[in-house]
Amino acid sequence: KQEVTQIPAALSVPEGENLVLNCSFTDSAIYNLQWFRQDPGKGLTSLLLIQSSQREQTSGRLNASLDKSSGRSTLYIAASQPGDSATYLCAVTAHTGNQFYFGTGTSLTVIP
Amino acid sequence: DAGVIQSPRHEVTEMGQEVTLRCKPISGHDYLFWYRQTMMRGLELLIYFNNNVPIDDSGMPEDRFSAKMPNASFSTLKIQPSEPRDSAVYFCASSLAGEADTQYFGPGTRLTVL
Repeated sequence: KQEVTQIPAALSVPEGENLVLNCSFTDSAIYNLQWFRQDPGKGLTSLLLIQSSQREQTSGRLNASLDKSSGRSTLYIAASQPGDSATYLCAVTAHTGNQFYFGTGTSLTVIP
Repeated sequence: DAGVIQSPRHEVTEMGQEVTLRCKPISGHDYLFWYRQTMMRGLELLIYFNNNVPIDDSGMPEDRFSAKMPNASFSTLKIQPSEPRDSAVYFCASSLAGEADTQYFGPGTRLTVL
């Protein structure tokens, strides 16, 4: 069974700092990997989607990488802002495409 | 609790037909979310409710999509008329009120529009 782990569970950084969130998964047979942001009381917002054939995706200050063979993905946030404070979740879609597995989440606080 | 319940689990319909997906959230959960999953776009939030009131429907792709929550234990997502590009898995999820609460997902409805 696929297991998805995120480290660290919580992170607090001063505004302006660059940071990296980690996601690891046990079964490399995935279809894609997706990073989400979750704000309190709101739905999941998709940030980046990486297909299994891709190595990375970028959107603004965000960059996500995927190393399928080692079962790892990272989300890099440049020049962090207080508005980036949220919980970040990664999720992998099984290669069959009909199941996805969420990570445990990283709670990020950016201090002004 | 039985968890989030969705029906039907599979739906095959022809283009132009009306499709109604149903969801029963976990009892006591104040938030209900509708998502759509496709292979190319991944998981996308369509709409969510808080205490039966729609809060954000910016993810609803077109006017052909509508969602209602007449009471705390039932919600529907309707597509009228359906098109082949609507084929996807539609998930419903619910969560308690509070800070970044875990969302509990239903098993999903796999919709195929021919």
